[in-house]
Amino acid sequence: DAMVIQNPRYQVTQFGKPVTLSCSQTLNHNVMYWYQQKSSQAPKLLFHYYDKDFNNEADTPDNFQSRRPNTSFCFLDIRSPGLGDAAMYLCATSRDGLTLSYEQYFGPGTRLTVT
Amino acid sequence: AQSVTQPDIHITVSEGASLELRCNYSYGATPYLFWYVQSPGQGLQLLLKYFSGDTLVQGIKGFEAEFKRSQSSFNLRKPSVHWSDAAEYFCAASGSARQLTFGSGTQLTVLP
Repeated sequence: DAMVIQNPRYQVTQFGKPVTLSCSQTLNHNVMYWYQQKSSQAPKLLFHYYDKDFNNEADTPDNFQSRRPNTSFCFLDIRSPGLGDAAMYLCATSRDGLTLSYEQYFGPGTRLTVT
Repeated sequence: AQSVTQPDIHITVSEGASLELRCNYSYGATPYLFWYVQSPGQGLQLLLKYFSGDTLVQGIKGFEAEFKRSQSSFNLRKPSVHWSDAAEYFCAASGSARQLTFGSGTQLTVLP
């Protein structure tokens, strides 16, 4: 089945130690998103790619970076994780992002713990 | 500013009872509307969506939602709740900007 895959499902990192989360999709969607979701809160959009065009949300900290080497893969890099970055990170895709008339498909998420 | 409001943080219903989760939106024009469900430790699954046309939308797992323009609402309903429906439910909307605005979520507890 076509899907959005996130690896790993659980990630533990140390304070200040860089970490990378990965997302892959078999849907061939042109838009990929990264969300941060803290406990009992709604997902918060960090950034998205429309094809290779990177779009950063205004309030996304510089500590968060992203790479999209090809259509199928997208990475979230946290350069120096702080305790406040512990959260669930959700990857999503959509077929066309111009008007968001197409729904977003979410991966299962990666739970990040910072020690 | 665009916003989505889910007034109920937590709802408890008995298994077999009917369910209605409320959602109100504030947008300049009618946005695209969605309901997602999230089980603990999982990603979001789309239940249903409204783009235009028939204001009563059928979704998966027996859910439906009704779009009411006059009330700026898009409430989710299910006639008979199952224990497996216990989860968090998010209403979301998008307009012309490339962004999905989520409500704060409603946690559903189902009593046996």
